[in-house]
Amino acid sequence: DAGVTQSPTHLIKTRGQQVTLRCSPKSGHDTVSWYQQALGQGPQFIFQYYEEEERQRGNFPDRFSGHQFPNYSSELNVNALLLGDSALYLCASSLGGGDQQPQHFGDGTRLSIL
Amino acid sequence: AQKVTQAQTEISVVEKEDVTLDCVYETRDTTYYLFWYKQPPSGELVFLIRRNSFDEQNEISGRYSWNFQKSTSSFNFTITASQVVDSAVYFCALSEAWGGKLIFGQGTELSVKP
Repeated sequence: DAGVTQSPTHLIKTRGQQVTLRCSPKSGHDTVSWYQQALGQGPQFIFQYYEEEERQRGNFPDRFSGHQFPNYSSELNVNALLLGDSALYLCASSLGGGDQQPQHFGDGTRLSIL
Repeated sequence: AQKVTQAQTEISVVEKEDVTLDCVYETRDTTYYLFWYKQPPSGELVFLIRRNSFDEQNEISGRYSWNFQKSTSSFNFTITASQVVDSAVYFCALSEAWGGKLIFGQGTELSVKP
C-alpha cells in the first residue's frame, strides 16, 4: 500500500522563476493538503484540496496556487519565487468528510532558491 | 485564534531515561482535535496519535503515553525508557473539527544518547 509520494525530492531555482511540485495521495485518500516548513520551524498550512476544489487556504499570497486532478493527485505552483520561499514543502493526504481524519505526510520536496 | 506552543526547543536525554514533551494549545472551539507527529531526519512526518476534545482519557501505546488535560489546555507526550531511535523532532498540532488545517507548534528536538 503506497503512502504519500512527492516529486521531485530536491529542487534548486533562482529568484523570479516558477516551480511546480507534485503529490500523489495515499491509496484510498481523496483530500490533499500542502504545508511549507521553513528550517527549524513547524509546518505552515498553505491550502487543502477536496473534490478538485480548494476547500481551505492558509495565509499565503496568491503566488501560491494549486490543483487537484480527478485521480486525487495534486500540484502546488509557486510563481515569482523569492528567497524566503526556500523550505521543505510537505504534502499530506487524508479521507475527506466531516470527521477530522489523521493526515498522512510524504517525505517532502526541499526547495532551494538562489 | 488557534495556537500551539511547545516551549521545549531541544531536549537531550540518555538512553532508558523517561522524557516528557510539553504541548499547550489555545482555541475557542469546543470541538477540536489534537495530534502528535514525529519527524525523523528523512523529513516525513509520522502520525503518532489523534485525540478529540471530548475524550480526555489518557492513552498508552507501548513506551508512548499521552496526557490530555482540558483544564490546563495541555496535551503532553511521554516516552518511557527512551531509545536512540526515538531521536527526532516531535510536533504537536491542533485542528478544528470540520476543517483540514493543522496548526503545528514549533517542535521539540529530542536527542537520545547511548
